[in-house]
Amino acid sequence: DQQVKQNSPSLSVQEGRISILNCDYTNSMFDYFLWYKKYPAEGPTFLISISSIKDKNEDGRFTVFLNKSAKHLSLHIVPSQPGDSAVYFCAASAGGANNLFFGTGTRLTVIP
Amino acid sequence: NAGVMQNPRHLVRRRGQEARLRCSPMKGHSHVYWYRQLPEEGLKFMVYLQKENIIDESGMPKERFSAEFPKEGPSILRIQQVVRGDSAAYFCASSPLEGFHSPLHFGNGTRLTVT
Repeated sequence: DQQVKQNSPSLSVQEGRISILNCDYTNSMFDYFLWYKKYPAEGPTFLISISSIKDKNEDGRFTVFLNKSAKHLSLHIVPSQPGDSAVYFCAASAGGANNLFFGTGTRLTVIP
Repeated sequence: NAGVMQNPRHLVRRRGQEARLRCSPMKGHSHVYWYRQLPEEGLKFMVYLQKENIIDESGMPKERFSAEFPKEGPSILRIQQVVRGDSAAYFCASSPLEGFHSPLHFGNGTRLTVT
């Protein structure tokens, strides 16, 4: 049962434009959401997170939006850079536990 | 390197052999999580441990798999009598405390290949 879903396996964006990665979840108990970036042969690297009490969190070029009623979150990267090319995983946890449920990932390619 | 350390990076085992994967958490972290990533899939939770305790092993297969995090030394994920379906990347993560939200920090994984 996939509780966190990333329906787009891949995304290509021109350098300098905005990248929007989407994520849906089914478990209404999730209250903490994270995005991780992963390069080949490396472990996931934490990027940005958001608590369910907020609907937006921003860190430099990265912004995460949370729509609790739709059980949807998105990651915006602007402007996109070639170094952003990686697989992005959405993850969620519930109730103070740090155990994460991951989506299947979206491979972002930023074209120079 | 103060990050999560996993070894070996690559491990090849024949069917029926045992695989031992090691993980040293970040300094100051006392909580360890093991995840498995099959090809073209996301990371799946396997087990969560604190020092000398298994807290949640709901994601770990009941047979052939075991995990420990002793008082001294790294956490060990042990797979007995490996089968081809065990071929995957195994990631370890650590966190400092439980009870409040903090991101997990991941190691670079052990890629297990069963021939």
